[in-house]
Amino acid sequence: QKEVEQNSGPLSVPEGAIASLNCTYSDRGSQSFFWYRQYSGKSPELIMFIYSNGDKEDGRFTAQLNKASQYVSLLIRDSQPSDSATYLCAVRANFGNEKLTFGTGTRLTIIP
Amino acid sequence: GAVVSQHPSWVICKSGTSVKIECRSLDFQATTMFWYRQFPKQSLMLMATSNEGSKATYEQGVEKDKFLINHASLTLSTLTVTSAHPEDSSFYICSAPGGTGINEQFFGPGTRLTVL
Repeated sequence: QKEVEQNSGPLSVPEGAIASLNCTYSDRGSQSFFWYRQYSGKSPELIMFIYSNGDKEDGRFTAQLNKASQYVSLLIRDSQPSDSATYLCAVRANFGNEKLTFGTGTRLTIIP
Repeated sequence: GAVVSQHPSWVICKSGTSVKIECRSLDFQATTMFWYRQFPKQSLMLMATSNEGSKATYEQGVEKDKFLINHASLTLSTLTVTSAHPEDSSFYICSAPGGTGINEQFFGPGTRLTVL
C-alpha cells in the first residue's frame, strides 16, 4: 500500500524563523510531489510541486526532494503568523492524471 | 489559474435523505475529477475518481451504491450521498487536474455535510 508519512505536530516556530516540514513516502516509483496548505475549514491550496531531485525555491518557500531517500521537505523562511496552518504532503505516481496520495498533515503554528 | 467550484458550500439534512454535491471546473475541461472526504483533524481520503462518460473508480472500502458519482460533462461531476447517516457527516472536497506540464490538481472549496 502506498503511504505518505508526516509528523502530525503540532510544530511551533517563532515568527521570523525557518519552519521545516518533512515527508517520507513508500512508493519508490513516485514521480511528482506536492505541498498543500490547508487552513481550518478550508480546502487545500497548492504551495509548490517538485519532481526533480534537489531544491526548488519560490519566494519564502523551498521544496527539497531526495528520491534515493524517499523524502521531500518544505522550508518556510521568515515565518509569519499567517503561515499557521496544516501542511499536507501529496505524492503522485506519474505525470498524468493519476490520483494523489496525501500524508496526514503537519500542523504548524507560528508564534508571534 | 484554474478554478473549481462546489455547490452547496454547506448542507444540513436529516438522516435517511439523499444529498447531491456538484463540482464544476469553471475555466477548463476535466475528463477526470477526484472526490475526497475529510473528517475533523484528519487528512484527505480519496473516495473515488470520476471519469467523464464512464463509471467512476471507487477506492477500497467506499460503497459505490451509497456514494453515487456522475460525470456527465467535461465540466461537471456530482456526488450523491444516498440515505445519509450521521457518520457521513464530513467535509467533501473535489479536485480536478488542470494546468500545463505537471498537471496540477485544483481543489474546490469543499462542502460541509452535516447529517442530523
